Amino acid sequence: ETGVTQSPTHLIKTRGQQVTLRCSSQSGHNTVSWYQQALGQGPQFIFQYYREEENGRGNFPPRFSGLQFPNYSSELNVNALELDDSALYLCASRPRGGNTEAFFGQGTRLTVV
Amino acid sequence: AQSVSQHNHHVILSEAASLELGCNYSYGGTVNLFWYVQYPGQHLQLLLKYFSGDPLVKGIKGFEAEFIKSKFSFNLRKPSVQWSDTAEYFCAVTGSGNTPLVFGKGTRLSVIA
Repeated sequence: ETGVTQSPTHLIKTRGQQVTLRCSSQSGHNTVSWYQQALGQGPQFIFQYYREEENGRGNFPPRFSGLQFPNYSSELNVNALELDDSALYLCASRPRGGNTEAFFGQGTRLTVV
Repeated sequence: AQSVSQHNHHVILSEAASLELGCNYSYGGTVNLFWYVQYPGQHLQLLLKYFSGDPLVKGIKGFEAEFIKSKFSFNLRKPSVQWSDTAEYFCAVTGSGNTPLVFGKGTRLSVIA
């Protein structure tokens, strides 16, 4: 157990719909990152939040957006879902600082049909 | 651009065989290096990490990795694998500060009896 929890664990959506994924970070961790892991691939960085502000973004379109709340939990929102958005979405938290490791949740398996 | 290359897509070994998984990175500046493991149906777990100091780092479950700066490599090793080591292994790199992880595509290890 890492202390990072994600919900839901599985989700099926229709193309064009919108989805919200949630993440509770480990206690004391104020930095949350989201990753997309397609089948057979490594996790790809989507964006990162620190103290409720986005402070880094990967090569993902604007329909991928997020939020971080005062308790450091976070949401990932995806609008206008496409079939290629089907993937495992991972949330990771870590404390602010130079040499720290990231702790990952179990992920949310999103299937777009 | 930052990138991580894992040379082996799928490795099949017999129990008690020795393991070496290759990882090369391209990243400007100071690097922090990680190996994560993903057992079937489980979250990403940290095997070991390198921040500074001794380039030979030891992790959990008998794994070790060596950072060779001149070769931009961080190969993972284990002298004798077990069936329970069957999993997906990911090499990842990050820079100093709060920069996000960049992952390789992963290596699937299958250990057979």
